[in-house]
Amino acid sequence: DVKVTQSSRYLVKRTGEKVFLECVQDMDHENMFWYRQDPGLGLRLIYFSYDVKMKEKGDIPEGYSVSREKKERFSLILESASTNQTSMYLCASSFALAGEGEQFFGPGTRLTVL
Amino acid sequence: GQQVMQIPQYQHVQEGEDFTTYCNSSTTLSNIQWYKQRPGGHPVFLIQLVKSGEVKKQKRLTFQFGEAKKNSSLHITATQTTDVGTYFCAGIIPVRDDKIIFGKGTRLHILP
Repeated sequence: DVKVTQSSRYLVKRTGEKVFLECVQDMDHENMFWYRQDPGLGLRLIYFSYDVKMKEKGDIPEGYSVSREKKERFSLILESASTNQTSMYLCASSFALAGEGEQFFGPGTRLTVL
Repeated sequence: GQQVMQIPQYQHVQEGEDFTTYCNSSTTLSNIQWYKQRPGGHPVFLIQLVKSGEVKKQKRLTFQFGEAKKNSSLHITATQTTDVGTYFCAGIIPVRDDKIIFGKGTRLHILP
């Protein structure tokens, strides 16, 4: 069974803090993705990675960075959190790139920035 | 820019009624995926459609991909309370690295 885990289900941070969201998958997937989900806006892709140390910007990368030092782990970093980054963050992984196979999602991290 | 529009945003149906959500892309897609997200849960993959005009069925769910590969629909026959959730389409744009764009989802409520 594919498992994608995220380090926290809920997180509360203050404006200006550096925030790390961790995602780990156990299925040896090449590709990993970070999305944010907001009411009425659906899922928006922040960054994705198709290999270790590789990263590609998604639709809304501003204010975020990522790190993929190991195949199973993909981290999302908010260098200086702001209130407009309050959201649900979903990590996903897939065996193939987006067009070739399903994405497996983690349970999500609900981040609140005060 | 490239967009995947999904309608309706919300749908309330009586249990036993049918339900349909529609997805339209501004550009031709290579394929389309459908996901379901239960309340409080995360999106779970339902199906992928690849061929023009393709129709696939999963029990009471019927998925269609348009002839021009720019639209798709999900139809649920005789809804049940277990169908509650948000249904997302995800269009795959055939560019380098295959760009995926999710629709905003249709939230289905079932009235008992």
